[in-house]
Amino acid sequence: GQQLNQSPQSMFIQEGEDVSMNCTSSSIFNTWLWYKQDPGEGPVLLIALYKAGELTSNGRLTAQFGITRKDSFLNISASIPSDVGIYFCAGLLGAQKLVFGQGTRLTINP
Amino acid sequence: GAVVSQHPSWVICKSGTSVKIECRSLDFQATTMFWYRQFPKQSLMLMATSNEGSKATYEQGVEKDKFLINHASLTLSTLTVTSAHPEDSSFYICSARVSGVNNSPLHFGNGTRLTVT
Repeated sequence: GQQLNQSPQSMFIQEGEDVSMNCTSSSIFNTWLWYKQDPGEGPVLLIALYKAGELTSNGRLTAQFGITRKDSFLNISASIPSDVGIYFCAGLLGAQKLVFGQGTRLTINP
Repeated sequence: GAVVSQHPSWVICKSGTSVKIECRSLDFQATTMFWYRQFPKQSLMLMATSNEGSKATYEQGVEKDKFLINHASLTLSTLTVTSAHPEDSSFYICSARVSGVNNSPLHFGNGTRLTVT
């Protein structure tokens, strides 16, 4: 089946540092989405990317949809403690079906 | 914004019993809802697509007779885990998209943690 390869699997950083994570796929996706999941809760949408090459920001978060439609990255600048959580990329197949990456677990040392 | 409500947030049941989980779109209509399962420290895996007024579409390897899905209205889908066993213990999450809106992103509920003893 379709798979998204997300890396890194985990990150341990100091507060204030910038963070970068990415997803790649062997398949082309129409839409890339980035979600954050806190423990015991459902994923919350951070950024949605609809066009190849699109670069979108949401506060300290920036994400880009790769030109080939097979990859995307998410950057977080000047990390703060509330950024802790698991970040998932997700690709939309057709009009409905979302495929998730394995997740990146972010830990921040104050 | 679009809110998806899931109930209950957690449930403990005995082996052999059935458990029903509700997923509601609170301020929008959703002709399609999705059910995911997430094991500890793993990603979300799509189980099935719930279609209002018709049968659900199940992903490969998901038993439709074990995971019964009903989508009786444009704002409610239910997942019933029948004859639950300990290996069914997991975090179940539903999602929905606003009907009729192009490129509307998926909104997720807060999940239901099922523990089967």
